Amino acid sequence: NAGVTQTPKFQVLKTGQSMTLQCAQDMNHEYMSWYRQDPGMGLRLIHYSVGAGITDQGEVPNGYNVSRSTTEDFPLRLLSAAPSQTSVYFCASSPPGQGAQSRGYTFGSGTRLTVV
Amino acid sequence: GQQVMQIPQYQHVQEGEDFTTYCNSSTTLSNIQWYKQRPGGHPVFLIQLVKSGEVKKQKRLTFQFGEAKKNSSLHITATQTTDVGTYFCAGLRDSGAGSYQLTFGKGTKLSVIP
Repeated sequence: NAGVTQTPKFQVLKTGQSMTLQCAQDMNHEYMSWYRQDPGMGLRLIHYSVGAGITDQGEVPNGYNVSRSTTEDFPLRLLSAAPSQTSVYFCASSPPGQGAQSRGYTFGSGTRLTVV
Repeated sequence: GQQVMQIPQYQHVQEGEDFTTYCNSSTTLSNIQWYKQRPGGHPVFLIQLVKSGEVKKQKRLTFQFGEAKKNSSLHITATQTTDVGTYFCAGLRDSGAGSYQLTFGKGTKLSVIP
């Protein structure tokens, strides 16, 4: 049981390049999310998915796309990288459950992205 | 939108001293969760609280959920160097998009001086 696996761990991009951050989980979790973490800003939600084929925007979705074709995978695409997207990106998953029925999220180890 | 405020932002304590971090939401929460992130690591789920006034303990850690379900606290008794890290609270609402979207506070970074 690997949990939540993120690749790559580190990436340097040039402004304007595109790339995909990969996230896979083997726990059969329906809920998956992408967060970015910047110093002093905590964790901010980019996009989330409540199941295969269903995605929605979070707090800071601009410049990012997601898709959820399978339960296991939830890739995050940067369309045209900008220096403002330099950050640490975390993917997280959890079993289904809204509100009070929610359970804790399992986070991946993160992708440290630098855009120059 | 929903906001979760957390104070203090930083806390330096002598080993053996107690530590408390506070979390306040702008809206009523159905569920509040606490996470710990070690330096260079990823957030790790500690606990969740769902009932008004709920108190839960994990060894030296005590978690409380306010009566109005808008605030929470984490208290660590007799800190140890292994407690170093950033502690985040995160909240979920009862319904709507906020019931899926876990909103995080900005965290309290704890340093423990041996």
